[in-house]
Amino acid sequence: QQQVKQSPQSLIVQKGGISIINCAYENTAFDYFPWYQQFPGKGPALLIAIRPDVSEKKEGRFTISFNKSAKQFSLHIMDSQPGDSATYFCAATQTARQLTFGSGTQLTVLP
Amino acid sequence: NAGVTQTPKFQVLKTGQSMTLQCAQDMNHEYMSWYRQDPGMGLRLIHYSVGAGITDQGEVPNGYNVSRSTTEDFPLRLLSAAPSQTSVYFCASSVRAQGEAFFGQGTRLTVV
Repeated sequence: QQQVKQSPQSLIVQKGGISIINCAYENTAFDYFPWYQQFPGKGPALLIAIRPDVSEKKEGRFTISFNKSAKQFSLHIMDSQPGDSATYFCAATQTARQLTFGSGTQLTVLP
Repeated sequence: NAGVTQTPKFQVLKTGQSMTLQCAQDMNHEYMSWYRQDPGMGLRLIHYSVGAGITDQGEVPNGYNVSRSTTEDFPLRLLSAAPSQTSVYFCASSVRAQGEAFFGQGTRLTVV
């Protein structure tokens, strides 16, 4: 049973466009929602994270939007660049528990 | 800085063989975890440790053993390899459960 559902599985965006990846969760005890970025042949690396006391967090071109009532959160990549092409994982956890990851989204940004 | 180091990077095993995947971190992190990554499945937690001498099962522990005798090392043992264990394995460490997780570069394991 997948506790964090991620969509789409793959995404193709033109350079300069907006990439949007969505995640939904069921466990209302989750209180930390990070996004990880993974390049081919590498391990995932933390990109940005949010806690449910805020509805949005922005770091450069990357923004997390969080909707607590809908139990959904999303990653927006503004002005997408070919260097952003990677696999993105959303994740969730509750206090003192390990991360639960979504299934991943393979993003391709065309030049 | 080395961070999290996994060895080997690639391994081919025959069904029934055993092996140990090594993981070492030099950041003095208490939390260490093992994940497997399969297409369309994301990263699934196999085992984790919250400190030396303390380990617990994750989502998919069957067929794997772990131990944590030191803060730095967290090896993953496959007792009797099966084709279903063909995967990419990642070790991760963090200061705390909700802290930033630092991943190794992975071990690609094929069981034939």
